[in-house]
Amino acid sequence: SAVISQKPSRDICQRGTSLTIQCQVDSQVTMMFWYRQQPGQSLTLIATANQGSEATYESGFVIDKFPISRPNLTFSTLTVSNMSPEDSSIYLCSVLTPGTEYGYTFGSGTRLTVV
Amino acid sequence: GQQLNQSPQSMFIQEGEDVSMNCTSSSIFNTWLWYKQDPGEGPVLLIALYKAGELTSNGRLTAQFGITRKDSFLNISASIPSDVGIYFCAGQGMTSGTYKYIFGTGTRLKVLA
Repeated sequence: SAVISQKPSRDICQRGTSLTIQCQVDSQVTMMFWYRQQPGQSLTLIATANQGSEATYESGFVIDKFPISRPNLTFSTLTVSNMSPEDSSIYLCSVLTPGTEYGYTFGSGTRLTVV
Repeated sequence: GQQLNQSPQSMFIQEGEDVSMNCTSSSIFNTWLWYKQDPGEGPVLLIALYKAGELTSNGRLTAQFGITRKDSFLNISASIPSDVGIYFCAGQGMTSGTYKYIFGTGTRLKVLA
């Protein structure tokens, strides 16, 4: 299965600032997905990032708050902009797992705390 | 919108016991996935189910795709301490895109040695 590296693994940020999270995959993939996992909660899809086109955002998430880049088939970034304490979450990137038809492989996540 | 409810929310069991958890929905799904998340890690896929009634095993884990297409079950036999973690189900709806899943609320499992 694909190996996903996320950076940073964790960060503590001041409110009003922005943080860019990087996601690197060891193979070329068409779609990359960004999820948010709020403390003690389940996973919620933020957006789908396709190479060469704008990301598709889910209801409740907007590009101004979570801009995404997808410069090539192995890399993506998610920026959390103008952060507030409510943005404190684990942010996960994922790709489709080869051989499972529709399963996901996840990165280890970025644990963000906004103070 | 669609929601997935997992039960139980958490459980403490003794090492060696069997564990059962389930995931239910008000909507029909055509694919079910079960994941485990360890502390500080992303979820790892355990089992994928693609057909109603399907029963699939992965070592000590067995999962079933409910006949009604609205539920799924995960069983862990002879639990060991490393089974501790959060177990998530995920369902793909009949009307959603091929890549979108809804994740359940999670079952937190703690195993007492």
